Amino acid sequence: SQTIHQWPATLVQPVGSPLSLECTVEGTSNPNLYWYRQAAGRGLQLLFYSVGIGQISSEVPQNLSASRPQDRQFILSSKKLLLSDSGFYLCAWETGAGYNEQFFGPGTRLTVL
Amino acid sequence: GEDVEQSLFLSVREGDSSVINCTYTDSSSTYLYWYKQEPGAGLQLLTYIFSNMDMKQDQRLTVLLNKKDKHLSLRIADTQTGDSAIYFCAEWGSQGNLIFGKGTKLSVKP
Repeated sequence: SQTIHQWPATLVQPVGSPLSLECTVEGTSNPNLYWYRQAAGRGLQLLFYSVGIGQISSEVPQNLSASRPQDRQFILSSKKLLLSDSGFYLCAWETGAGYNEQFFGPGTRLTVL
Repeated sequence: GEDVEQSLFLSVREGDSSVINCTYTDSSSTYLYWYKQEPGAGLQLLTYIFSNMDMKQDQRLTVLLNKKDKHLSLRIADTQTGDSAIYFCAEWGSQGNLIFGKGTKLSVKP
């Protein structure tokens, strides 16, 4: 069966510090991968998606970046965090077929102080 | 642009029915979804409906789709305290990605 992991589960970082959040998927090959951010009162916002290794599409201009070094690994990064980067970050995968169900990871709660 | 709107809060008593409403803008959406998010957790697909359907029933869940009005609803029968969560409506947009509403927080009172 397929599983999706995210770590860390929670993170508290000072403004201006770097960020690296990791997402890995098991049990499937060549998934489409997504990074979402959920901020208070703003719902779920798509940040990046990837249809393959090294292929990243950005939905929202910001100081975040994403990389996909391996088929089932998706990394969200920042060189310098802003206060506004605080939120709940969710990774998701889907097969790109059928009814396009996305499977979400447990999320990372990021607080920037 | 594409947008999905839903009310932010709903409060019901245990045993009552809950109805969560959603409107969307992309008439070409092939699938529409309801996701559930329990506190501090990721989203989980509850149910989905194909755009050529008007209704889908799955145990306590009933999804109604009005394509003319671009209105989607989720009815939960016999609502339980374990149903307390945030419910997200989503459509599959023309750019090939999910577009979510802001979520409706359902509170179930005993």
